[in-house]
Amino acid sequence: DVKVTQSSRYLVKRTGEKVFLECVQDMDHENMFWYRQDPGLGLRLIYFSYDVKMKEKGDIPEGYSVSREKKERFSLILESASTNQTSMYLCASSLVRGNSDPSNYGYTFGSGTRLTVV
Amino acid sequence: DAKTTQPPSMDCAEGRAANLPCNHSTISGNEYVYWYRQIHSQGPQYIIHGLKNNETNEMASLIITEDRKSSTLILPHATLRDTAVYYCIVRAKTSYDKVIFGPGTSLSVIP
Repeated sequence: DVKVTQSSRYLVKRTGEKVFLECVQDMDHENMFWYRQDPGLGLRLIYFSYDVKMKEKGDIPEGYSVSREKKERFSLILESASTNQTSMYLCASSLVRGNSDPSNYGYTFGSGTRLTVV
Repeated sequence: DAKTTQPPSMDCAEGRAANLPCNHSTISGNEYVYWYRQIHSQGPQYIIHGLKNNETNEMASLIITEDRKSSTLILPHATLRDTAVYYCIVRAKTSYDKVIFGPGTSLSVIP
């Protein structure tokens, strides 16, 4: 019954590496989001996309980029990983146009990727 | 900034009802109230949502005031597994708008 899948649960990368975090949803949602979550800071929006090949900066886009080549897939890219990007990364999706399942009108989150940059 | 405000933390005795408040005084007419919870190290999970009528499902009840400026999530018989951070957000049912999550309420259910 998994609807939003993040490719890795835990990831350890070295400083300077290029890191790809993948997210796939199977609910035909138009919107997709990447958040990071750090203790005491809540969920902070990095980037979001409302359509294929479209992207919008969130509140903390510096050091990140995204790619959305297909509707179901939204990738977060750390061009050159740094230790201050050690965090929990959460992907989410949501509908723009309605369908019959009310719970799908909100956000559906993946399980998260805990990234450690050493 | 988040459009909702919630108390940072609450305690509840196991087996008792947990009542989690949320203020959303600037809510628009087409915006729904959504509640999510996040158990440690997992992604937030949908609990319930509502527009203006009270709602109930197998997980919780949602009470929305008549003026829609505040709401309360009720967990009728809290268990230790309900210990989590609870987020209240408002958004239109279908929207391009990004949503800002506030820090939520950290609920501790005490044996």
